[in-house]
Amino acid sequence: GQQVMQIPQYQHVQEGEDFTTYCNSSTTLSNIQWYKQRPGGHPVFLIQLVKSGEVKKQKRLTFQFGEAKKNSSLHITATQTTDVGTYFCAGRYSGGSNYKLTFGKGTLLTVNP
Amino acid sequence: ETGVTQTPRHLVMGMTNKKSLKCEQHLGHNAMYWYKQSAKKPLELMFVYSLEERVENNSVPSRFSPECPNSSHLFLHLHTLQPEDSALYLCASSQDVQGALETQYFGPGTRLLVL
Repeated sequence: GQQVMQIPQYQHVQEGEDFTTYCNSSTTLSNIQWYKQRPGGHPVFLIQLVKSGEVKKQKRLTFQFGEAKKNSSLHITATQTTDVGTYFCAGRYSGGSNYKLTFGKGTLLTVNP
Repeated sequence: ETGVTQTPRHLVMGMTNKKSLKCEQHLGHNAMYWYKQSAKKPLELMFVYSLEERVENNSVPSRFSPECPNSSHLFLHLHTLQPEDSALYLCASSQDVQGALETQYFGPGTRLLVL
């Protein structure tokens, strides 16, 4: 079946260091979403990328969608302790049911103050 | 964030018990979802409802029984569960199921432990 692979599974950084998580699909995505789940919390929508090569920024967060629409990344510049949590990507496939999001396993980010 | 609420937040039940999880959305959405979140596994879509009609039943065992009496409420009835069913059960809603750019809004989840 269709899968979205996400790496790394865990990332521990010192506060102020950068962080990147990557998602990869073997087949083309129609769009991809990113969610953040704080420890003990629930997934919260961050952003959606639709166009090939799209780049969007939210303050210290930069989201990219690959040219082939098969991969995406989330980069956090100068991490803070408030960035702690699990970051998930969720892709939609062309030709599939529009409501069906295929989630990656997530990357758990911990930040040492 | 109070757009999607879930009760109870925590539940411990024995394998012979019957319990129900409740979800309510206050966003005026037409679609509601049940997901299962287990450790080290991706979020698993269980059920999808659009305007109270089920549009997806993702090979979920019959010990999980959903109910959607109206577009604002969604229930998950549980009976004779197994310990491996212990997980965080998340409810979500979106405006519709057809839009290719729909965003799903998640509730806080019910953390279920089956003994």
